[in-house]
Amino acid sequence: GENVEQHPSTLSVQEGDSAVIKCTYSDSASNYFPWYKQELGKRPQLIIDIRSNVGEKKDQRIAVTLNKTAKHFSLHITETQPEDSAVYFCAASIVNTGFQKLVFGTGTRLLVSP
Amino acid sequence: DAGVTQSPTHLIKTRGQQVTLRCSPKSGHDTVSWYQQALGQGPQFIFQYYEEEERQRGNFPDRFSGHQFPNYSSELNVNALLLGDSALYLCASTSALSTDTQYFGPGTRLTVL
Repeated sequence: GENVEQHPSTLSVQEGDSAVIKCTYSDSASNYFPWYKQELGKRPQLIIDIRSNVGEKKDQRIAVTLNKTAKHFSLHITETQPEDSAVYFCAASIVNTGFQKLVFGTGTRLLVSP
Repeated sequence: DAGVTQSPTHLIKTRGQQVTLRCSPKSGHDTVSWYQQALGQGPQFIFQYYEEEERQRGNFPDRFSGHQFPNYSSELNVNALLLGDSALYLCASTSALSTDTQYFGPGTRLTVL
């Protein structure tokens, strides 16, 4: 079955720096890759996603890149702010009209220091 | 537009007991998935319900069972609770007719003593 690896497990940056989190997946049939932000005690919140027909997607300070050949995808956060501090999860899925089974990475704890 | 809701928020049980968790999907969604998130881990897929049937199942024992009702709401039942079942249980909903993403509920924190 699908396996998703995520690195690093923790990431500390200064406010204003960029942060990059990387994930690799094993199942070449995976075609949907969301990223979730989870604050302590809260639900995972979707922050950005990318489908396999696209190589890059941007939303303000957040971007995701996908390399299907290498089976890896990355989250890029620019101009980090203290409120970006949270645990970030990548996930991979095979989407067939709603029958998604998300396989999550192990998470990255991002700490942005003022 | 109501999002995904779950009840209860917190639950404390002892080993061997049984528990039922509830989920109401986002308005317009008909597919419900359940995930278990142990402390410090990513969510793990338990199973998915559509048209009142289990459509996919993750690597969880038969002690974990579920149900979906005609109004698309769902229940997760866990029998013979173990200490290792302590976790945040998340429900996510989506629509079977689209490739829309899954939206998560706030979760139920289960503690097994």
